[in-house]
Amino acid sequence: QKEVEQDPGPLSVPEGAIVSLNCTYSNSAFQYFMWYRQYSRKGPELLMYTYSSGNKEDGRFTAQVDKSSKYISLFIRDSQPSDSATYLCAMSAIGDYKLSFGAGTTVTVRA
Amino acid sequence: GAGVSQSPSNKVTEKGKDVELRCDPISGHTALYWYRQRLGQGLEFLIYFQGNSAPDKSGLPSDRFSAERTGESVSTLTIQRTQQEDSAVYLCARGGTAGGSDTQYFGPGTRLTVL
Repeated sequence: QKEVEQDPGPLSVPEGAIVSLNCTYSNSAFQYFMWYRQYSRKGPELLMYTYSSGNKEDGRFTAQVDKSSKYISLFIRDSQPSDSATYLCAMSAIGDYKLSFGAGTTVTVRA
Repeated sequence: GAGVSQSPSNKVTEKGKDVELRCDPISGHTALYWYRQRLGQGLEFLIYFQGNSAPDKSGLPSDRFSAERTGESVSTLTIQRTQQEDSAVYLCARGGTAGGSDTQYFGPGTRLTVL
């Protein structure tokens, strides 16, 4: 079993829809949770960062962490074609510099 | 950008050849990471450098892989006697801080194809 599970999709939505992405994990020591966006043939770009449980909002993006369920989510409101990318979740424990990544979910937003 | 450049952007080589990949982070960041991303898979940690401390090589998949970095400067990842399963995107990241913990900012990667 992988330490971080993420449905690879692909996910296709119409412009303006809400995109819902999620990851589950098995390591209860994880405290830092990140979402990266990766455009085709580019490096991952840090999108959202959260610590422990709770919600964080940044513009059209909302990240949620539920540590009791070992489940994290990313929501994209009013999706745009420019949001078409692969979204990777990543997480780490306190004092651990290594990030554990999900496999990534490929999202296409149709104009 | 993320303050990390990598070269070459693409490398095609023949099985059995050695390759050297380069990562050049902006100055002032002591932490540097290498990851491998195979098609359709998440990133696999390879090696971590922190200043002049001994690097964490625990992610290197075999002794054909090695990496060097002097201080806070350029890092090179070398793969000897390449195999087809080495085909992947090799990503370099510099350390940063966000909310009190290290996080990582990635370069564009080197796409390696072993024929």
